[in-house]
Amino acid sequence: DIQMTQSPSSLSASVGDRVTISCRASQNILTYLNWYQQKPGEAPKVLIFGASRLQSGVPSRFSGGGSGTDFTLTISSLQSEDFATYYCQESFTTPRTFGQGTSLEIK
Amino acid sequence: QVQLQESGPGLVRPSQTLSLTCAVSGASVTSDLYSWNWVRLPAGKRLEWVGHVSSTGGTNYSPSLKSRVAISADTSKNQFSLRLNSVTAADTAVYYCARTGTHYDGYNYYSYMDVWGKGTTVTISS
Repeated sequence: DIQMTQSPSSLSASVGDRVTISCRASQNILTYLNWYQQKPGEAPKVLIFGASRLQSGVPSRFSGGGSGTDFTLTISSLQSEDFATYYCQESFTTPRTFGQGTSLEIK
Repeated sequence: QVQLQESGPGLVRPSQTLSLTCAVSGASVTSDLYSWNWVRLPAGKRLEWVGHVSSTGGTNYSPSLKSRVAISADTSKNQFSLRLNSVTAADTAVYYCARTGTHYDGYNYYSYMDVWGKGTTVTISS
């Protein structure tokens, strides 16, 4: 199985901050990497697919980058509704492995 | 608008079988554009992909669960189901059903879970 490791596991930030979350795959997954946002009591929501492609309806302050084994999710200017847990997930093969999640909290 | 809705018992006894159903509206489980997944979230842990069923009924499961899991689709009811047998407390989780969609950019097909159910909590306890 491909192992997905996110960093940091938790992050405190303020509204307006720029934040970056990292995700590393245990082997080359090209650009088969998705990012999801999950708020308490809700289902995950896809933000980015194919490493850098913004899902329809997702605000442009979200962006993704990377290829191979190292990927990033950047939020350019945090809004109050962005405080949530973020997961990366590889779609290169099965099983579809998720990272352990990054909890983004209000400072 | 595509919607998925999970249903099933919220409490299952240890060693018994967990059975959940996901009703699909706004899309067909037989469409070759999609596959249909189960994903779970144990408390304090990461999301875990359980497996999926394709439009043709083919299945793929997480190796860690493969010996205990079965996912199937009922085309007459436009729904798909999860069965997990010999459950233990470690199977306690919120279970989500989700659709995998695909985007083709002219070179590559990218798949991602684009529509999710709200989730249902299943507790394994005597």
